[in-house]
Amino acid sequence: KAGVTQTPRYLIKTRGQQVTLSCSPISGHRSVSWYQQTPGQGLQFLFEYFSETQRNKGNFPGRFSGRQFSNSRSEMNVSTLELGDSALYLCASSFPGNYGYTFGSGTRLTVV
Amino acid sequence: GESVGLHLPTLSVQEGDNSIINCAYSNSASDYFIWYKQESGKGPQFIIDIRSNMDKRQGQRVTVLLNKTVKHLSLQIAATQPGDSAVYFCAVPNTGGFKTIFGAGTRLFVKA
Repeated sequence: KAGVTQTPRYLIKTRGQQVTLSCSPISGHRSVSWYQQTPGQGLQFLFEYFSETQRNKGNFPGRFSGRQFSNSRSEMNVSTLELGDSALYLCASSFPGNYGYTFGSGTRLTVV
Repeated sequence: GESVGLHLPTLSVQEGDNSIINCAYSNSASDYFIWYKQESGKGPQFIIDIRSNMDKRQGQRVTVLLNKTVKHLSLQIAATQPGDSAVYFCAVPNTGGFKTIFGAGTRLFVKA
């Protein structure tokens, strides 16, 4: 079966711009979580969605937002990009009641 | 706040030897623990999990040990192979599974 698909794989943006990242979970997985991965901070939780509802949010500024659609696909948006937003953004999906994630390969965002 | 930590950022082992990767967690109420493996250019991949009512769980060449008294878990890899070279994360989902906290990761190097 298809895995978690994240698009695009790589992205270069300029400071001040905004960006939208997309995630398609595994069929049947209704929970989608987003993580930011950097060498210094490791994997940091951004938010989790289930049935189009945000159930939990990490300690990130309001510039980071997300949403989930009725088909469970999810997007995250970062506005007013800063250099420190450069990171690998990972999306993970899970089956209801299952705590283990299946991750996508991530979107590598570079802010210049 | 809740935290998950690893004892060593890097571990180097000889091919064929056994590897042991350690992790400590802070929340004594945690009842589920997961190990992930992340290879270069990929998202983390689920390896094995264990519930708090167990002390040990075995998979294919991997064993996870849980010591709730000292809030410590370890991942043992038997007969380590070059393909085991990766970063290994221990992860602790919160109650309800809406968020998972990841340790900083241990990078395993396998010497031929």
